[in-house]
Order: sequence, then C-alpha cells, then structure tokens
Amino acid sequence: EIVMTQSPATLSMSPGERVTLSCTANQNVSTKVAWYQQRRGQSPRLLIYGASTRATGVPARFSGSGSGTEFTLTISSLQSEDFAVYYCQQCHNWWTFGQGTRVEVK
Amino acid sequence: QVQLVQSGAEVKQPGSSVKVSCKASGGTFNRNTITWVRQAPGQGLEWMGRIIPFLGTTNYARKFQGRVTITADKSTNTAYMELRSLKSEDTTIYYCASARAANFPMDVWGPGTTVTVSS
Repeated sequence: EIVMTQSPATLSMSPGERVTLSCTANQNVSTKVAWYQQRRGQSPRLLIYGASTRATGVPARFSGSGSGTEFTLTISSLQSEDFAVYYCQQCHNWWTFGQGTRVEVK
Repeated sequence: QVQLVQSGAEVKQPGSSVKVSCKASGGTFNRNTITWVRQAPGQGLEWMGRIIPFLGTTNYARKFQGRVTITADKSTNTAYMELRSLKSEDTTIYYCASARAANFPMDVWGPGTTVTVSS
C-alpha cells in the first residue's frame, strides 16, 4: 500500500501569511497527487490534481508542486476562509490519503 | 455539474449491517467511478472501495474486503455501500465521491452519511 505522510500536523498562521504544506509518498507516484480542503462540518473539496493543476474555481493563491515522492501545497496569502484541514492523496495505485494538516488561526 | 445526494443518518446495533445510498442529481454517473470514503470523528479519510456503475466493476480496499459490498443501479443513477458485521469503530461519516477513473482524483463529493454503531 502506498502511504502518504503529511507534515506538519498543525500550522498556526495569521491571515495574509504564506503557507507551505508537505506530503511525502513512500514510493514513486509520479505526479498522481491531489490536494483537498476540508472545512469544519463540510465534505472535502478538490483543490489540486496532477500535483500542480488547480481544479475548477480554485483561487490562484493555491498552488501545488512536486513529483515522485515529495509534494507541496502552497497558499500564497492566507485568507480567513482558508483555515481548514488539507489532505494530500495519491491516485497512482487506487487512492490513499495523508493524515491531514490543520491550518489554524494563530 | 452532477451533485451526489446521500441517504440519511443511521443508528445500528453492533453485528448488524448498514446500506448507504448515493444518487446522482442533475445528471447521470456516465462512465465515472463512484468511490466510498469514510472519516472517523476528528480523523482522516479512508478509501473503502469503488464501482464503475456503467460496467458493474468493483474493487475494494484490502481492509474492507469481505465486509463491504458496493453496488449500483444504472436505471436510477444510484450507488449503494453495504457494510456488514458492524463494530463500534465503524461509527464514522461515509462519503461517496465521483472520479473519472481509478487514476483520477475525486472531484465531486456527497454530503456524507453519519452511521452510529451503538447498543
């Protein structure tokens, strides 16, 4: 099974700051990685797929990068609605998710 | 865009079964894959299995093989997930989500169905 490991578990940030979230796969998944945002009480929402392509309607402040085993999600300037939990997911061999990174208000 | 509508919350006894439905609203499943993902309270996301309603093809995560059955009714554009031999650890939210195929992300999600297993 492909294991996705996210770091850190929690980030305490202020609005307007730049945020970088990391995700590591235990084997090569090429660019078959997606990122999801889950706000409290809501379903996950697809943000990024193919490691770096924004899904429809996703603001340009969200960007993704990486290939192979190392991946990053960056939020260039944190907005109030961005405080949420973020999950990476590999789509290379079925699907597995990371354990999530919570972005909370500092 | 097609939306996914799920059945309501369930309360079940340990050892029983639950069947959750997921209906495409405003369209059809087309040739998409319907996946089932669960999330325990305050925990992460766990893929359980998937079905291609167009073909009836199913695949299950190893953890759930033998205990879960995913089916679909093409005529009503509804998918179902049945989980048997329920345990307290199965108390979670169950989501259905649509993906183009097995190597694609889940781009449309249902609202989730809460299943509580309690005696």
